[in-house]
Amino acid sequence: ETGVTQSPTHLIKTRGQQVTLRCSSQSGHNTVSWYQQALGQGPQFIFQYYREEENGRGNFPPRFSGLQFPNYSSELNVNALELDDSALYLCASSLWTTYEQYFGPGTRLTVT
Amino acid sequence: KNQVEQSPQSLIILEGKNCTLQCNYTVSPFSNLRWYKQDTGRGPVSLTIMTFSENTKSNGRYTATLDADTKQSSLHITASQLSDSASYICVVSPPISGGYNKLIFGAGTRLAVHP
Repeated sequence: ETGVTQSPTHLIKTRGQQVTLRCSSQSGHNTVSWYQQALGQGPQFIFQYYREEENGRGNFPPRFSGLQFPNYSSELNVNALELDDSALYLCASSLWTTYEQYFGPGTRLTVT
Repeated sequence: KNQVEQSPQSLIILEGKNCTLQCNYTVSPFSNLRWYKQDTGRGPVSLTIMTFSENTKSNGRYTATLDADTKQSSLHITASQLSDSASYICVVSPPISGGYNKLIFGAGTRLAVHP
């Protein structure tokens, strides 16, 4: 186990709704990265948060947003859900922005 | 075109047999190449990490090789066990840019070990 936890483990939403996913980083880690993994594909980088600021972003639209809190836990928010948003969402924490990333178990999101 | 291509897409082997998974990448230059194991519905777990100057790295029954000239890497699993059934993902990390470490993932090879 990496010590990175995510909640919920899975959820089902309807197209057009909004969703918030949560991640608790490993103790001492100040950086959290979020990834989207579609079925049968590798994870795609969404964005990274370092000390409560967005530190880098992949090719995802603005309806994907995030937050990082003073305790370094993080949220991923997705607005106006689309069917293609159905995926496993992974967060990974690291000691610094460029250090080894440790992944959580993921949240399985299904959009119907 | 994906910058990290893996083959085969899926593989079935019998318990106790060896197998080799392939990874071809176009990311150049790169700072390191990693192999991850991902159980179904779980997050990836790092197996090996190699810098561009290394050509082999072992972790128990897992041995990764890297040929930076041909931009190929392989993961060799010896004496497979049922618990090796998982997806194996090749990940290439470009040089650090913008202050963060962007990881480029392959689609993975799905390995099934049968008794």
